[in-house]
Amino acid sequence: GNSVTQMEGPVTLSEEAFLTINCTYTATGYPSLFWYVQYPGEGLQLLLKATKADDKGSNKGFEATYRKETTSFHLEKGSVQVSDSAVYFCAPRGRGAQKLVFGQGTRLTINP
Amino acid sequence: KAGVTQTPRYLIKTRGQQVTLSCSPISGHRSVSWYQQTPGQGLQFLFEYFSETQRNKGNFPGRFSGRQFSNSRSEMNVSTLELGDSALYLCASSLWSGGDTQYFGPGTRLTVL
Repeated sequence: GNSVTQMEGPVTLSEEAFLTINCTYTATGYPSLFWYVQYPGEGLQLLLKATKADDKGSNKGFEATYRKETTSFHLEKGSVQVSDSAVYFCAPRGRGAQKLVFGQGTRLTINP
Repeated sequence: KAGVTQTPRYLIKTRGQQVTLSCSPISGHRSVSWYQQTPGQGLQFLFEYFSETQRNKGNFPGRFSGRQFSNSRSEMNVSTLELGDSALYLCASSLWSGGDTQYFGPGTRLTVL
């Protein structure tokens, strides 16, 4: 089955720093790839997605590129804000599969 | 368009009791999936329903069950609650089953005493 490995947290950065959260996956075929974000006390929000190789998903200044050759989908943001403090989850979803497979999550804290 | 709604948001039960959680998907979405989130195990897939039929099931005991109604609303039931069932239960909806984007509700926080 599908699996995903995320960069271990917690990650602590200063405001306006550059962010990278690594994500690699194993999957058969060509899964769709998702990043979800969870703010304290809330459910998961879709942050961005990519459905085929070399696609770049982007939202709220965050970007991730579907790299089939390295089976990676790293999340990046050029200048983080305090409001970006949350837990981030990478999740592949196989073609025709019903479930998302989540990584362990990366807790991000941004200090002013 | 309204998002995924879950009721209740918080629930406290005692061991041995049973509980029913409800999920209303985004209008027009026909697939509903359930996930359990705990600090130790992370996010784990429970099951998915599409057109009132269970399409896929995770590795949970039979005490966990669910159903879907003709209006796509879904319920999940946990019988004979155990302390380890304390978790955040998340519901996600998508237009159809397989390969589509899932949108999550705020979750139901279940505490078992």
